[in-house]
Amino acid sequence: DTGVSQDPRHKITKRGQNVTFRCDPISEHNRLYWYRQTLGQGPEFLTYFQNEAQLEKSRLLSDRFSAERPKGSFSTLEIQRTEQGDSAMYLCASSPRGQGSGNTIYFGEGSWLTVV
Amino acid sequence: GENVEQHPSTLSVQEGDSAVIKCTYSDSASNYFPWYKQELGKRPQLIIDIRSNVGEKKDQRIAVTLNKTAKHFSLHITETQPEDSAVYFCAASRAGNNDMRFGAGTRLTVKP
Repeated sequence: DTGVSQDPRHKITKRGQNVTFRCDPISEHNRLYWYRQTLGQGPEFLTYFQNEAQLEKSRLLSDRFSAERPKGSFSTLEIQRTEQGDSAMYLCASSPRGQGSGNTIYFGEGSWLTVV
Repeated sequence: GENVEQHPSTLSVQEGDSAVIKCTYSDSASNYFPWYKQELGKRPQLIIDIRSNVGEKKDQRIAVTLNKTAKHFSLHITETQPEDSAVYFCAASRAGNNDMRFGAGTRLTVKP
């Protein structure tokens, strides 16, 4: 499978614990995105990387959230001191180098987080 | 920033009928408008997209129309089938789409 892959697919954690999600983008894609999706809502943008540089962060990304893409390939999203409101699906997506007006982004299967 | 509104939130049609989902956007600089289909527990998958230099695009039973002046775009599905049942999301972004904004989704149910 050469699509975007995410790990783990499901995570249940106790409030206050830290969790980390990993994303492996499509290999030739230099852009990587993290989105969050709750039930009944569309994906909400969290952050964006071009190669290893984190170029944009949403105001949704509180200081408990940190994302990295150290070598410009895979990325990790860490949530510290989880809260019940963090329960959501965390979607990773990637896209190729810019083509002018907008790029197709391809999503992974998502990582479901449940904070109990 | 961009704001995308989508309606209806739910849509039920009989198999074989057409379905239309509409979205409006606020940022006149947006120039890329994809549509994603998401089945329960699955990833959003791109089904069709349109760029601002065209007004309509068709792919078999699916078509998208764009009205830049009114800042709205629509998804049209003809001859619906039960396997079309899913949640559909529209989205809008500017060149580079670093921050693509999604609508809240439309749950389409196609009754056999």
